[in-house]
Amino acid sequence: KNEVEQSPQNLTAQEGEFITINCSYSVGISALHWLQQHPGGGIVSLFMLSSGKKKHGRLIATINIQEKHSSLHITASHPRDSAVYICAVEFKGAQKLVFGQGTRLTINP
Amino acid sequence: SAVISQKPSRDICQRGTSLTIQCQVDSQVTMMFWYRQQPGQSLTLIATANQGSEATYESGFVIDKFPISRPNLTFSTLTVSNMSPEDSSIYLCSASPWGGSPYNEQFFGPGTRLTVL
Repeated sequence: KNEVEQSPQNLTAQEGEFITINCSYSVGISALHWLQQHPGGGIVSLFMLSSGKKKHGRLIATINIQEKHSSLHITASHPRDSAVYICAVEFKGAQKLVFGQGTRLTINP
Repeated sequence: SAVISQKPSRDICQRGTSLTIQCQVDSQVTMMFWYRQQPGQSLTLIATANQGSEATYESGFVIDKFPISRPNLTFSTLTVSNMSPEDSSIYLCSASPWGGSPYNEQFFGPGTRLTVL
């Protein structure tokens, strides 16, 4: 079964802390996406990965294909980073995304 | 990149009525997708809509309940028919500029927040 698991489900931290959100999946993939959803519901695509590491500003995404695991890191976290972060995977042979349950991140000032 | 807009942004509807949600992309895209996000849940794919062909529905979703149109490469509609309170969700449209696998990137609309009384 094609499954995507995220951890933690909820994360509260203080401004400035280093944040890590994890995503594990069950079988081989073509691509993995990290998405950000703000309280209004709109979704922003942060990264699309098939190998290695990508960095954009304070956000870093890594993927380990052998271990079937990806992490999203946020450095110097800020209250505006508060959102739900969603991992979504395109499994090999399937032209659609399967979504994790999301991680609700709250950064307190 | 692609910018996606949805109309309406939110609506409150009566049981038994239907609502059509519009999704407009600012550039031509190959594949468009409709998702449902029930309260407190992650996204679930309803159907994939390619221009010039019938939409492909996921298990648990049927055309009579969620008819979809894709008249051109920049526009799609999703209708939620004969609504019940269980249909209260956020409905999101997304688009991928390229067909095939893997997608380069998938762009999402702002969502339509539907409440059914």
